[in-house]
Amino acid sequence: GNSVTQMEGPVTLSEEAFLTINCTYTATGYPSLFWYVQYPGEGLQLLLKATKADDKGSNKGFEATYRKETTSFHLEKGSVQVSDSAVYFCALSERGAQKLVFGQGTRLTINP
Amino acid sequence: DGGITQSPKYLFRKEGQNVTLSCEQNLNHDAMYWYRQDPGQGLRLIYYSQIVNDFQKGDIAEGYSVSREKKESFPLTVTSAQKNPTAFYLCASSSRTGRVDTQYFGPGTRLTVL
Repeated sequence: GNSVTQMEGPVTLSEEAFLTINCTYTATGYPSLFWYVQYPGEGLQLLLKATKADDKGSNKGFEATYRKETTSFHLEKGSVQVSDSAVYFCALSERGAQKLVFGQGTRLTINP
Repeated sequence: DGGITQSPKYLFRKEGQNVTLSCEQNLNHDAMYWYRQDPGQGLRLIYYSQIVNDFQKGDIAEGYSVSREKKESFPLTVTSAQKNPTAFYLCASSSRTGRVDTQYFGPGTRLTVL
């Protein structure tokens, strides 16, 4: 079956540090890939997405590239801020399946 | 503004009681979903509906029930048969049109069973 594996957290960084959160997936076919962010006590917000191999999703300084050869979709940001502290979820959706499969989430804390 | 609303934000119930969580959307989306989130875990799909008057079980449907009588509404009932109902419940919706199945989430309801 389809699955998503994220790097284990929690991850703690200092402000302005470089961020990478690893995400790999297992899927049949060619899924769409997503990163969602959850701030404390809130629902999930779509951060970025990519629908085919070599696509790069980007938003708010975050980027992730759909790598079919390594089945990965790692999230990166060049300079994190305290306001980036949240839980980040990687997810996939098989084309037309209308169902999302989530990773377990990675808690990120940014210290000033 | 278009969006998804869930009410209430916090809900407390005694063990053995059924409880219904509300989810309403004004995005004109056909598909709606219910997820459960437990501390330190990802989201698990409870039920989903792709069209009015139709719904399918997700991965953890036991002890839950849903209805989809209107396009805008997808209430979830947590029954007394659910063995561990205390959790954070998230509702989502998506459009069936377009190539990307982006789901948009509500703010969630935190249910605590005493």
